[in-house]
Amino acid sequence: DTAVSQTPKYLVTQMGNDKSIKCEQNLGHDTMYWYKQDSKKFLKIMFSYNNKELIINETVPNRFSPKSPDKAHLNLHINSLELGDSAVYFCASSHWGSGSTDTQYFGPGTRLTVL
Amino acid sequence: QQQVKQSPQSLIVQKGGISIINCAYENTAFDYFPWYQQFPGKGPALLIAIRPDVSEKKEGRFTISFNKSAKQFSLHIMDSQPGDSATYFCAASGGRGGAQKLVFGQGTRLTINP
Repeated sequence: DTAVSQTPKYLVTQMGNDKSIKCEQNLGHDTMYWYKQDSKKFLKIMFSYNNKELIINETVPNRFSPKSPDKAHLNLHINSLELGDSAVYFCASSHWGSGSTDTQYFGPGTRLTVL
Repeated sequence: QQQVKQSPQSLIVQKGGISIINCAYENTAFDYFPWYQQFPGKGPALLIAIRPDVSEKKEGRFTISFNKSAKQFSLHIMDSQPGDSATYFCAASGGRGGAQKLVFGQGTRLTINP
């Protein structure tokens, strides 16, 4: 019954490594998002995809590359990890096309710690 | 540029009291104002939302008050319960169709003392 799922839940890695976070939704939505929540709990959108097409790209370093193999999946790949990348990353999904009022459903988050 | 400002950063309320969290926005193109609730270790979940064509929306113990001219909106939690202890985020988005670009406030950590 999980609506938006993310793997892994925790990710601990060394600086300079490359890592991926996976997201899947079973809500039948066609729009998916990645958010970053920093240590002060501030939530900021990073990317949004609609039907595998990049729609929102918010001044994120190009070390971050989202990939959407289909509309139910949106993965986040991060190259050359830096200490400042440590955060909780949330995936979310919503319907497309109804305007700005669509509810976004968030996943449980992936806590990334870069040592 | 912080487009949605939220206060207070933290709030302690006694059980049964009223919790009030305030937000102010700058962008007049915003036309949707949701509040999200986040428990530790979980993702944010939509609590209640309002459009600017109404001044108030109530769902159970939760009420949003909206002041379009002042560009402010607030969340009121009546009869606050220990189970309401969580971090609350106001947000705003705007535009027609497409992906919803939510801009979040800084969050308020609410603690309800039993």
